[in-house]
Amino acid sequence: GESVGLHLPTLSVQEGDNSIINCAYSNSASDYFIWYKQESGKGPQFIIDIRSNMDKRQGQRVTVLLNKTVKHLSLQIAATQPGDSAVYFCAEKRKAAGNKLTFGGGTRVLVKP
Amino acid sequence: GAGVSQSPRYKVAKRGQDVALRCDPISGHVSLFWYQQALGQGPEFLTYFQNEAQLDKSGLPSDRFFAERPEGSVSTLKIQRTQQEDSAVYLCASSVRGGTDYNEQFFGPGTRLTVL
Repeated sequence: GESVGLHLPTLSVQEGDNSIINCAYSNSASDYFIWYKQESGKGPQFIIDIRSNMDKRQGQRVTVLLNKTVKHLSLQIAATQPGDSAVYFCAEKRKAAGNKLTFGGGTRVLVKP
Repeated sequence: GAGVSQSPRYKVAKRGQDVALRCDPISGHVSLFWYQQALGQGPEFLTYFQNEAQLDKSGLPSDRFFAERPEGSVSTLKIQRTQQEDSAVYLCASSVRGGTDYNEQFFGPGTRLTVL
């Protein structure tokens, strides 16, 4: 039978198109937000981070946007490739909680050839 | 090694058995974290070491969970009298610096624990 927790939100995207993955957070006391990519059987891999006093940060093919007004974080992947297929997690570092990270629930990205 | 390594990669235990999971962080990294990841969910913090000192164990779910890092490098997460709800992937991460300033955490591949 099915296991509880397997029903991750899934984003299906055509190869070459842009992907947008969204994340809502609740704690306004977080000072850093981080996006991780996790492939099956592997640990989370760092993609990009953004400090809470910034609105936008760009990396190679990726852009993170932070909207503190509505407590929303997004990851944009340009020209999505088959190797981008994975589960993506947002995480936050809370100021009063040392360096431990609090992760969101994850979004599965499936890239169609 | 180049990254964080964990062993064993897979562990099957009968309910009630004790298990020990090992983490080798990146050489020289001061901080070491353990996280628990249930199937289909994001990792959840268990405990944090700065060198050999365990500074935060607020995420350990019960007193059956114990972690140590006696020489400030390798760490072991021990679970006593395992229960089925302990089945999860246990992730270890390390970062260069200690303290409360943000620095990137590098994750290992995890140990998948299945309790029968």
